[in-house]
Amino acid sequence: DTAVSQTPKYLVTQMGNDKSIKCEQNLGHDTMYWYKQDSKKFLKIMFSYNNKELIINETVPNRFSPKSPDKAHLNLHINSLELGDSAVYFCASSLLAGASQETQYFGPGTRLLVL
Amino acid sequence: KNQVEQSPQSLIILEGKNCTLQCNYTVSPFSNLRWYKQDTGRGPVSLTIMTFSENTKSNGRYTATLDADTKQSSLHITASQLSDSASYICVVISSSGNTPLVFGKGTRLSVIA
Repeated sequence: DTAVSQTPKYLVTQMGNDKSIKCEQNLGHDTMYWYKQDSKKFLKIMFSYNNKELIINETVPNRFSPKSPDKAHLNLHINSLELGDSAVYFCASSLLAGASQETQYFGPGTRLLVL
Repeated sequence: KNQVEQSPQSLIILEGKNCTLQCNYTVSPFSNLRWYKQDTGRGPVSLTIMTFSENTKSNGRYTATLDADTKQSSLHITASQLSDSASYICVVISSSGNTPLVFGKGTRLSVIA
């Protein structure tokens, strides 16, 4: 009955590989987000989708491609993984769009390690 | 440049004591400010959301204050418990279009017995 779930929880892979991280929310929210938290624990927004439409796309390499098959899912695909991609990736959701006053609910995170 | 600065970087206090965490920001135009608690190995959890017109907001033993004139916020924790040990992150949201949420680097709080 987890509100925001991510899979996998851990991901260890070699440089150059392509990998995907999945996110699902069962809260009925319209907006979902992907964040990256680096080794210094600094959180930074990457993408935001509202009802399957991209509304925030921060300056991230185009190797990162979010995909939203429906408003309950926002998957993150990463091509040609690099060492610097190693981080914890958090998915989040909120009821309404963008940076409103809505509370964001975060998933447990996916710990990605690129070797 | 939109920035959020938090202090102290880390803090150790005895169980039962109070503490105050600080957040200064330069994000403009301002929409709202949020405090999150992040336990080790977990995702952030929202504590408070404050708009421009709100000076203080409480959530249990957590009380956040906001001074929009000086662009400062604080999070006061009363009667700390061991479970309060976590990182506390200040986030400021701008009302300007798709300006992203601006996160502080957090304050790492350790409550010891």
